[in-house]
Order: sequence, then structure tokens, then C-alpha cells
Amino acid sequence: DIQMTQSPSSLSASVGDRLTITCRASQSVSSYLNWYQQKPGKAPTLLIYAASSLQGGVPSRFSGSGSGTHFTLTISSLQPEDFATYYCQQSFSTPWTFGQGTKVEIK
Amino acid sequence: EVQLVQSGAEVKKPGESLRISCKGSEYSFTSYWISWVRQMPGKGLEWMGRIDPSESYTHYSPSFQGHVTISADRSISTAFLQWSSLKASDTAMYYCARHHYGDSLGYWGQGTLVTVSS
Repeated sequence: DIQMTQSPSSLSASVGDRLTITCRASQSVSSYLNWYQQKPGKAPTLLIYAASSLQGGVPSRFSGSGSGTHFTLTISSLQPEDFATYYCQQSFSTPWTFGQGTKVEIK
Repeated sequence: EVQLVQSGAEVKKPGESLRISCKGSEYSFTSYWISWVRQMPGKGLEWMGRIDPSESYTHYSPSFQGHVTISADRSISTAFLQWSSLKASDTAMYYCARHHYGDSLGYWGQGTLVTVSS
């Protein structure tokens, strides 16, 4: 199985901050890397697919980059509704695997 | 708007069987794979397996192979996840999700909470 490792596991940030979350794969996943946001008690929602493509309806402050084994999710200016847990997921080879999650909390 | 509506919460005893459902609407049900994802209490997301509703071809994660069965009934645009003998460790939230570009999971059901307790 391909292992996905996110860093950090949690962080505290303020509204307006620029935020970067990193996801590393144990082997190359090409650009088959997706990012999800999950708020407490809710289903995950897709933010970014294919490493850098913004899902429809997702604010442009979210962006993704990377390929191979190293990926990043960036939030350019953190908004109150962005406090949530973020997961990366590889869809390069089955079994698809998720990172352990990054919890973004209010400072 | 694409919708996936899952069946309601379940409380079961160890050893009992269970089938939960996921009904798709506002899209061509047979055109997109559906996956199931487990989230144990306070934990992260785990991909369980997927089904091609057009031919009912399935693919399971080795971690779940043999313990769950994924199926679909295209006549009612519904996918299913079932257990023949539940364990306490099956207590979790289960999500269905429709595939999207690059095999991302673009649309999610609201989740079905399964509680297994004696």
C-alpha cells in the first residue's frame, strides 16, 4: 500500500493567515492526489483533484501543487469557515489511501 | 445537483447482519463508480472498496476484503454495503462517495452511523 503522510498533524492559525499543509507519498503517485476538507459532524468535501485542479464552487484562496511524492495544499488567507480537518488522498493505485489528517484550529 | 442519500443510523449486536444503502440522483447512476469510506470514532478516513454500477464490478481494499460486500441495484440507482456478521470494531461512520475526475471522490453521502454493541 502507498503510505500518505501529512504534516503538520495539527496547527493553530489566525484569520487572514497563509497556510500550507504538506502531504508526502511513500512512492510516486504522479498527479493522482486529492485534497478534502471535513468539518465536525459532516461528510468530507472535495477541494482539489489531480493535485492542482480546483473543484467547482471551492473558493480560489485554496490551491494545490506538487507531483510525484510531494504535494502541498495552500490557503492564501484563512477564513473563519476554513477551520476544519484536511485530508490528502492518492488515487494512483488501489487500495487508495488517505493521509492521517491535519486539524486546523483557531489561534 | 448530484445527490447521494444514505440510509439512517443503525444499532446492532455482534454477529448480526446489516445492509446500508446509498441512493444516487440527478446524474447517470451507471456512469460513475461509487466508493465506500469508513471513519472510526475520532479517526481518519479509510477507503473500503468501490463498485462500477453499470456491471457491478467490485474492487476491495485488502483490509476489508472478505468482511464486507459492496453491491448495487441500477434499477433503483442505489449502492449497498453489507456485513454478514458484525463485530464491535465495525462501529463507525460509513460514507459513500461518487467518483470524479482523476478518481477523486467528488460527491459524498451524508454518512450512516453504525453502532455494534452487545
